[in-house]
Amino acid sequence: AQKITQTQPGMFVQEKEAVTLDCTYDTSDPSYGLFWYKQPSSGEMIFLIYQGSYDQQNATEGRYSLNFQKARKSANLVISASQLGDSAMYFCAMREALQGAQKLVFGQGTRLTINP
Amino acid sequence: GAGVSQSPRYKVAKRGQDVALRCDPISGHVSLFWYQQALGQGPEFLTYFQNEAQLDKSGLPSDRFFAERPEGSVSTLKIQRTQQEDSAVYLCASNLIAGDYNEQFFGPGTRLTVL
Repeated sequence: AQKITQTQPGMFVQEKEAVTLDCTYDTSDPSYGLFWYKQPSSGEMIFLIYQGSYDQQNATEGRYSLNFQKARKSANLVISASQLGDSAMYFCAMREALQGAQKLVFGQGTRLTINP
Repeated sequence: GAGVSQSPRYKVAKRGQDVALRCDPISGHVSLFWYQQALGQGPEFLTYFQNEAQLDKSGLPSDRFFAERPEGSVSTLKIQRTQQEDSAVYLCASNLIAGDYNEQFFGPGTRLTVL
């Protein structure tokens, strides 16, 4: 079974609009972390935001916020006031604490295109 | 400060050749990871080091893949007898503290093309 599912292969949004990128996850571990990374065409993975499974509040980092719904096992990324530079691939990832696992498990990604 | 660096950035190999990909993590980072990213896919875990110890190599796809980090800093991923399905971007990442939920810092990747 897929651990991380991103159901939107591509998204097109007008500049200055808000956009939500979907992510659902599957784990039986009560302790886990959820990450969002941005990958521009240059290829480097850029960390955006982190949410811990025990965090009571949704994470926010500038224009990025994470809509964490634990019961639904979803961790959607919200980008407010989108900019042309936000055009990139976006990956949701999870790290489980089970057996001290350190690796990140990534979804398939969503390609976001911001139109002027 | 310098981030994670990788070399070469691009590598073209003929099928059957051996290749070596280098990763220089951020100075002082304990943990080092290798991921493989096929075209249009998310990165997939290959292997993980804590200092010089390789603690997880469950993602290495075959015994042709070998990774080392002998002094706990620079790491090399070696692929022997390359095959076309090895064509991918190989990403290296590091983080400061083992066992913590801090972010992994990624390098720019090495794009390997096997002809």
